[in-house]
Amino acid sequence: DTGVSQDPRHKITKRGQNVTFRCDPISEHNRLYWYRQTLGQGPEFLTYFQNEAQLEKSRLLSDRFSAERPKGSFSTLEIQRTEQGDSAMYLCASRGTVSYNEQFFGPGTRLTVL
Amino acid sequence: DQQVKQNSPSLSVQEGRISILNCDYTNSMFDYFLWYKKYPAEGPTFLISISSIKDKNEDGRFTVFLNKSAKHLSLHIVPSQPGDSAVYFCAASWSGTASKLTFGTGTRLQVTL
Repeated sequence: DTGVSQDPRHKITKRGQNVTFRCDPISEHNRLYWYRQTLGQGPEFLTYFQNEAQLEKSRLLSDRFSAERPKGSFSTLEIQRTEQGDSAMYLCASRGTVSYNEQFFGPGTRLTVL
Repeated sequence: DQQVKQNSPSLSVQEGRISILNCDYTNSMFDYFLWYKKYPAEGPTFLISISSIKDKNEDGRFTVFLNKSAKHLSLHIVPSQPGDSAVYFCAASWSGTASKLTFGTGTRLQVTL
């Protein structure tokens, strides 16, 4: 299967701990997005990479959040000093250059902060 | 500020009938619109899209209609099947800002036998 993959699928952590999520996009896609979805809401944009460059960040992405995409392949999203309000589904999506803006999503990482 | 709105949280339709899901937007800069389907514990799956230069796009059982003057789009599913039961999200983007997607809050479709 050559879709977007995310790891882990579930993460339970205690408040104050750091967590890191990984996203592997579709191999030929150079654009990568992170979104966050909370209960009853649609996904909300967090950040965007084109190749290895992080080109846009949402104001939702506080100083405790950092994302990287070394070498323009996989990406990581780290949350430091987690808070209960960080509990959400974190979704990664990728897009190629051929399609206009069809973004293809991974299965998500469900984060629960106790 | 909810720029993309799906005012119906849920919809129930009988198998074989038409399902119509609606979406409204407020930002006139949006020039590309998409529908995604989501099952529990999975990521959204792309269904169909439409550019603002068109007013209709069809793909099998799925048709999306766009009314730019009313800032309204709709997704028609004909005929509806039980496997269509899921949450449907409308999303919008514009080419000037990383093409990030702005989503509505979703409509839960249940197709009954």
